[in-house]
Amino acid sequence: GAVVSQHPSWVICKSGTSVKIECRSLDFQATTMFWYRQFPKQSLMLMATSNEGSKATYEQGVEKDKFLINHASLTLSTLTVTSAHPEDSSFYICSALSWGSGTQETQYFGPGTRLLVL
Amino acid sequence: GENVEQHPSTLSVQEGDSAVIKCTYSDSASNYFPWYKQELGKRPQLIIDIRSNVGEKKDQRIAVTLNKTAKHFSLHITETQPEDSAVYFCAAGGSNYKLTFGKGTLLTVNP
Repeated sequence: GAVVSQHPSWVICKSGTSVKIECRSLDFQATTMFWYRQFPKQSLMLMATSNEGSKATYEQGVEKDKFLINHASLTLSTLTVTSAHPEDSSFYICSALSWGSGTQETQYFGPGTRLLVL
Repeated sequence: GENVEQHPSTLSVQEGDSAVIKCTYSDSASNYFPWYKQELGKRPQLIIDIRSNVGEKKDQRIAVTLNKTAKHFSLHITETQPEDSAVYFCAAGGSNYKLTFGKGTLLTVNP
């Protein structure tokens, strides 16, 4: 299957600082990527859809000025958590849409980034 | 928007037994139903998926069934093994490719 990487795998930062997380599709091009957040023992919650060359679309309740998304190339999307606070501590996972050999799409997930804001 | 309900939240079986996890969805426009397995601290891994033009799909010990009329789909794991222990998530997606996930089922396979 398709491979998606994320960097960093974990980060600890002070309250008020910004953190950038990268999501890369390694062996395929992804015009669409997704960013999810997962709190302990909970499900994945979609935060936003990242589209190459255009603005991201955010889910209801997600602050677009706090979670900045940039999808500047067909293999890279970045999520920047601005002015992070302890309540932003979570597991952030990206996924990339792969079309394989046909017209059917599949989402492949990155390994996740664990963010701890002190 | 789409709403996905998943049951049970926890499931404990003996090795070799079968496990069944059920999901319902609300949006009749959804046409893609993947199942993901997530081990602690790891990424979700796609284990099987089904699309709305198919009623059943099987891959070795794993099978998924879909009933579009009733808007429910199920995951069946036969001959369970301890390494099947994980959290399993169902999801539903539509033409915008966004996935709505169920709350997950913690499956424990006891040796």
